[in-house]
Amino acid sequence: GAGVSQSPRYKVTKRGQDVTLRCDPISSHATLYWYQQALGQGPEFLTYFNYEAQPDKSGLPSDRFSAERPEGSISTLTIQRTEQRDSAMYRCASSSDRGIGELFFGEGSRLTVL
Amino acid sequence: SQQGEEDPQALSIQEGENATMNCSYKTSINNLQWYRQNSGRGLVHLILIRSNEREKHSGRLRVTLDTSKKSSSLLITASRAADTASYFCAIGIQGAQKLVFGQGTRLTINP
Repeated sequence: GAGVSQSPRYKVTKRGQDVTLRCDPISSHATLYWYQQALGQGPEFLTYFNYEAQPDKSGLPSDRFSAERPEGSISTLTIQRTEQRDSAMYRCASSSDRGIGELFFGEGSRLTVL
Repeated sequence: SQQGEEDPQALSIQEGENATMNCSYKTSINNLQWYRQNSGRGLVHLILIRSNEREKHSGRLRVTLDTSKKSSSLLITASRAADTASYFCAIGIQGAQKLVFGQGTRLTINP
């Protein structure tokens, strides 16, 4: 696509429910990143993919968080048994560089856990 | 922490003045990038400076990098109301393919 697309834009869920967020990167981009951003803070790295490989998931806060990119394009971030502290903006970004080049960000998915 | 630290946290200036934001870091880097974010929207890339570069310009933006002091600065000249936003430095960590963001500087340009 022309830009990075994320869905849903807003998600309200009850504590204990599972949530899946989706990211559709720029079509030619090999690298895809997930970040978590709390209000008034900078984005915190969660994980990244090179095509379908996931070399670094060191930023995932707990084993309730997982991400996939099975065909090297669209990615999903799943949070199981959500907790109120999971409430945040989740941002996806993609890059054409295999190195650490310019990131193109989506508009984000705002998750609220009640 | 690998995170960049930005200074100041908030800056308010008059339109037409120059704005300077600083970023310090502790690790070895491949590059350092600056991003802008308007009111919770997506982040937009402004400029990238490589570890072997000392200064870079893009329009009204000037970025400097001092790897001996592990610091960078972003200068916005002749500021405009539309420059009001949060500005983040992001560290491209050497040996790791990830970008680590600072906490940002909230810039307000008063008309």
